[in-house]
Amino acid sequence: KNQVEQSPQSLIILEGKNCTLQCNYTVSPFSNLRWYKQDTGRGPVSLTIMTFSENTKSNGRYTATLDADTKQSSLHITASQLSDSASYICVVSTDALNFGKGTSLLVTP
Amino acid sequence: DTEVTQTPKHLVMGMTNKKSLKCEQHMGHRAMYWYKQKAKKPPELMFVYSYEKLSINESVPSRFSPECPNSSLLNLHLHALQPEDSALYLCASSQASAGTGGSPLHFGNGTRLTVT
Repeated sequence: KNQVEQSPQSLIILEGKNCTLQCNYTVSPFSNLRWYKQDTGRGPVSLTIMTFSENTKSNGRYTATLDADTKQSSLHITASQLSDSASYICVVSTDALNFGKGTSLLVTP
Repeated sequence: DTEVTQTPKHLVMGMTNKKSLKCEQHMGHRAMYWYKQKAKKPPELMFVYSYEKLSINESVPSRFSPECPNSSLLNLHLHALQPEDSALYLCASSQASAGTGGSPLHFGNGTRLTVT
């Protein structure tokens, strides 16, 4: 059973719109949580890292949140662009890396 | 462009062939990884090298044989593969072993392997 669950599995939005991706986890002990972006045919690239004490962190148009009490994280994308089309993977660090299955985002003109 | 370089980008091999995948990084990272990724799935860990020593083998079949000649290079030797081994093979590196702190994984762009 995957202990890092991401939703939705896939998402299609219009260019310029906002969207929010979810990551819920049950793994422990929690060390940190990262969001990675993986473009088609490329390796994943780290977008943000969230530690236990951080609630919100921004990286340009990407804003990640973390609620360590409820073990939930979200990635909000503002004013989406066509280049945001990719798979977004949530990875929770314990004594190992625990990967979610990813959310596939398609931004259309 | 990624700082982790993988070659070749694409590889087609028969089930009786022997081939090798190569990975190189010059960031001074001491942990290097091989991941296997099937379509629409997350990467699955295969091997971890820490300070040039194999520290994790995720019960990978012996037809996959990793090698770390030095701190900058990581190879994956392939022999007698099966069609179901076709996948994207990703190499990654990090300053410290992943899961022990805030070191991100730096991924290469992968080798797309097809076994015929």
